[in-house]
Amino acid sequence: DIQMTQSPSSLSASVGDRVTISCRASQNIINYLNWYQQKPGKAPKVLISAASRLQSGVPSRFSASGSGTEFTLTITGLQPEDSATFYCQQSYRPPRTFGQGTKVEIK
Amino acid sequence: VQLVESGGGLVQPGRSLRLSCAASGFTFEDYAMHWVRQIPGKGLEWVSGINWNSGSIDYADSVKGRFTISRDNDKKSLYLQLDSLRVEDTALYHCVKDASLNPNSRGGVFDYWGLGTLVTVSS
Repeated sequence: DIQMTQSPSSLSASVGDRVTISCRASQNIINYLNWYQQKPGKAPKVLISAASRLQSGVPSRFSASGSGTEFTLTITGLQPEDSATFYCQQSYRPPRTFGQGTKVEIK
Repeated sequence: VQLVESGGGLVQPGRSLRLSCAASGFTFEDYAMHWVRQIPGKGLEWVSGINWNSGSIDYADSVKGRFTISRDNDKKSLYLQLDSLRVEDTALYHCVKDASLNPNSRGGVFDYWGLGTLVTVSS
């Protein structure tokens, strides 16, 4: 199975900050990388597909990039409602494995 | 789109449980579906996926031979039969819609998720 490793596992930032989350794949997954956001008590929601494609309705402060084995999710101008856990997921080869998650807290 | 899971509960190791997922708001038979589980406070683990006509089914190694996924397109429902349950199967089980017809499509996305149903395996 392809292993997905996220860093950091958690972070605390202030409203308005720029936040970056990294995701590394154990092998080349080209750009078959999705990002999900899960707020406490809620179901996960897809934010980004194909490494950088913002899903409809997702605020433009979210962006993502990367290819091969290294990927990043960036929140530019962190908002209180962005407090959540973020997961990356590869869809290059089954099983579609997830990273362990990055919890973002607002200071 | 709505995905509503049911059937979870407290069960002893070795026993069985059947989870159901009622889907609405989309053409159910046009999409692959999955079960993804989450240990409370922990990460996400894909469990099983099924294509639109039940012709392609896959399982995580951790549940292969013990869990069975199925669907009824007429009833717009997804199921997961959990047999020979273990303590480590304790988790919140989410019903998940795929954006594709097939569960192993390269580039596939889990575009809608249910809130989940909690399965607790304990003696």
